Amino acid sequence: GQSLEQPSEVTAVEGAIVQINCTYQTSGFYGLSWYQQHDGGAPTFLSYNALDGLEETGRFSSFLSRSDSYGYLLLQELQMKDSASYFCACAIGGYQKVTFGTGTKLQVIP
Amino acid sequence: NAGVTQTPKFRILKIGQSMTLQCTQDMNHNYMYWYRQDPGMGLKLIYYSVGAGITDKGEVPNGYNVSRSTTEDFPLRLELAAPSQTSVYFCASISGTSGRSSLEQYFGPGTRLTVT
Repeated sequence: GQSLEQPSEVTAVEGAIVQINCTYQTSGFYGLSWYQQHDGGAPTFLSYNALDGLEETGRFSSFLSRSDSYGYLLLQELQMKDSASYFCACAIGGYQKVTFGTGTKLQVIP
Repeated sequence: NAGVTQTPKFRILKIGQSMTLQCTQDMNHNYMYWYRQDPGMGLKLIYYSVGAGITDKGEVPNGYNVSRSTTEDFPLRLELAAPSQTSVYFCASISGTSGRSSLEQYFGPGTRLTVT
């Protein structure tokens, strides 16, 4: 089977930078994506890495190292509205199976 | 485009009842998925489909059935509901085209199901 592990909770100060890690164990790995989910809402797509390296989208960046089976999401200039749960997800064998990590609850404090 | 729509938004079922959760997407996406999310937990893949007429099991398929007769619709059927199926159910789709956003899943708003 496959598993994606994340820290369960992270707390950071408004305006700071926070990194959320994701380690995975899976076969047929196709790519790693990141989602944000506010309480009571649906997950929304943030970023996707198919190859090693850093992808940047505004205040959010995502990194992947396939050799280390590891990725992270970097959030810069934290805002209160960034308080949410963040999930990594990986695709197995193409688009066929997309499974999610355990999720990290981020709390941004003033 | 409405994106991914799900009905109903809320439902309470008695143990042993059956129901169908509806999911429709208007983006002509080939790949569709059903997840369940228990409180404070991650999303667990129930079933997925790579196109009309093709479905396969995910991590937690027991107690559920799906069908995919059209590209747009991917209903999830619960037979003999049990309290363990109390959860929030999300439907999602992926376009499958190449490019950076090729794995971007579009989610519906969810169906909150309680089985008592």
